[in-house]
Amino acid sequence: SAVISQKPSRDICQRGTSLTIQCQVDSQVTMMFWYRQQPGQSLTLIATANQGSEATYESGFVIDKFPISRPNLTFSTLTVSNMSPEDSSIYLCSGQGAGNTGELFFGEGSRLTVL
Amino acid sequence: AQSVTQLGSHVSVSEGALVLLRCNYSSSVPPYLFWYVQYPNQGLQLLLKYTSAATLVKGINGFEAEFKKSETSFHLTKPSAHMSDAAEYFCAVFSPTGNQFYFGTGTSLTVIP
Repeated sequence: SAVISQKPSRDICQRGTSLTIQCQVDSQVTMMFWYRQQPGQSLTLIATANQGSEATYESGFVIDKFPISRPNLTFSTLTVSNMSPEDSSIYLCSGQGAGNTGELFFGEGSRLTVL
Repeated sequence: AQSVTQLGSHVSVSEGALVLLRCNYSSSVPPYLFWYVQYPNQGLQLLLKYTSAATLVKGINGFEAEFKKSETSFHLTKPSAHMSDAAEYFCAVFSPTGNQFYFGTGTSLTVIP
């Protein structure tokens, strides 16, 4: 299975600030995604991180709020901008391998609390 | 569009009892199906997957799931629950045609000593 590393693992932030989450994957991953998991809920796809180009955002998520970069095949960042308490969530980086079974691998998640 | 339904957001079983977590999906084409487990303060870990081979799939930690096309179900079972099985479990569907992943709402499993 692919190895996905995320940092920070958790953070407490002040309202109005921004936080960047980093994700490093191994070479088995081709597609990279960012998910949000709000307390007690399932996963919601934020965007697909595209290598060398703008991310593809899902409905309800915009680049100004969640800028994403993927400068190379194995690294991506997600920034949560101008944070409010409603942004308190777990943010998960995930990767999909080149095989056709679609299996997703996940990082440990970044637990963000906004005060 | 695909959808995944997990019946029961919370399931409690006694230690040693059968674990049954239900998952139904809607799909117009044969999907790939997955169960993931999320332990407290951790990411998601793949338990098992169905990819159109054997309908009974065995996973890690003694879990297994059976794909039943006629019932559009992929229920997760374990014969004997262990305290360490307490976690959140997610059923997921992957659609190869659209390269989309769909997650259920999750089932929180509590194991009572």
